[in-house]
Amino acid sequence: AQSVTQLDSHVSVSEGTPVLLRCNYSSSYSPSLFWYVQHPNKGLQLLLKYTSAATLVKGINGFEAEFKKSETSFHLTKPSAHMSDAAEYFCVAPERSGGSYIPTFGRGTSLIVHP
Amino acid sequence: EAGVTQFPSHSVIEKGQTVTLRCDPISGHDNLYWYRRVMGKEIKFLLHFVKESKQDESGMPNNRFLAERTGGTYSTLKVQPAELEDSGVYFCASSHARGFTGELFFGEGSRLTVL
Repeated sequence: AQSVTQLDSHVSVSEGTPVLLRCNYSSSYSPSLFWYVQHPNKGLQLLLKYTSAATLVKGINGFEAEFKKSETSFHLTKPSAHMSDAAEYFCVAPERSGGSYIPTFGRGTSLIVHP
Repeated sequence: EAGVTQFPSHSVIEKGQTVTLRCDPISGHDNLYWYRRVMGKEIKFLLHFVKESKQDESGMPNNRFLAERTGGTYSTLKVQPAELEDSGVYFCASSHARGFTGELFFGEGSRLTVL
């Protein structure tokens, strides 16, 4: 079963407006959760990670995400979008496979930023 | 510190030919993962090495795919014979931590086009 769901395949915002990229996970425990970003023709880069230390996690480039156990969500936000934020964003969570856990990707959300 | 490097960055081959992709993880990282993204689809897990041992290869599509990690350093992923549906971007990632609490460091991917 898919352990992480990204609800939107595309999100379109205007520069300077807030960004919300949604991610929900399914797990019987509080997992480690990650957001990665991929800019065109680049590799995947870690934006931020949650590992149970604090529910509000701050990442690079002004992004942050809040772990909400009651909602099983880990949505990514940014107060003000910049043109350089246009990229694809992936929520990653562990999925049990055999005797171990495998980092499993959501389907990705393309963020489009309009001038 | 050098990051994860993948070679080649792009390979174009004909159906039936063989291609070998290489991944050099960050030095000292015991965990090495291969993922694949077929155009328009999700990033899918292929397999996971811990040092030279295959920890989990449940994501390998079929027996045309063979992955090795001799000596626990670099890894190769060979596709023989290649089919049209093998086209996509193959990502390699490495991590130091045991389990799934550590950050994954990704290479920029090897784009495979099978004609």
